[in-house]
Amino acid sequence: EPEVTQTPSHQVTQMGQEVILRCVPISNHLYFYWYRQILGQKVEFLVSFYNNEISEKSEIFDDQFSVERPDGSNFTLKIRSTKLEDSAMYFCASRANRDSPLHFGNGTRLTVT
Amino acid sequence: DQQVKQNSPSLSVQEGRISILNCDYTNSMFDYFLWYKKYPAEGPTFLISISSIKDKNEDGRFTVFLNKSAKHLSLHIVPSQPGDSAVYFCAASSKNYNTDKLIFGTGTRLQVFP
Repeated sequence: EPEVTQTPSHQVTQMGQEVILRCVPISNHLYFYWYRQILGQKVEFLVSFYNNEISEKSEIFDDQFSVERPDGSNFTLKIRSTKLEDSAMYFCASRANRDSPLHFGNGTRLTVT
Repeated sequence: DQQVKQNSPSLSVQEGRISILNCDYTNSMFDYFLWYKKYPAEGPTFLISISSIKDKNEDGRFTVFLNKSAKHLSLHIVPSQPGDSAVYFCAASSKNYNTDKLIFGTGTRLQVFP
């Protein structure tokens, strides 16, 4: 069964550094998402992306965050200057259309020191 | 922001018995509800969903019930199996309001013991 793949599985970075989290969504999917889960808290929506543009973003997704689909397969989340509170598990998700359920990747654990 | 609440952080059930996981929501604009299962070190996996026009949806051992007046939904797993042991998340969205983001509950950890 096709799946969403995320790399790396664990990323450690120093505060103030830039990080790029990478995702390869399922190949025929058109809608792409990033969610995150801070340890012990609920999974939170960050951003949705369709037709090469952001379709919706949460208040968490401020100017330090950006997303890109640089080619036909990758979907990336960039955090320009990481803060301690950005430490979380980041999940990429995709779906074929708005009526189908989200398929999540296994996540990237980001640790900001 | 507690729009979706799962008040039971954990549930322990014997193998073969029914597991009932509960979820409450406060936003009356939610019209689509989903259950996801999550194992450690993996992403959430879709289980079952229900639209607000229905009150029940069944898929094998999994049944979701929706009570709109009470703003409550539940997931029934019967019979429960040890492989069902995981964290279960309830999620909701407002598909008809031009947003497709999912709002998740905090999860219920289900343990099925032999």
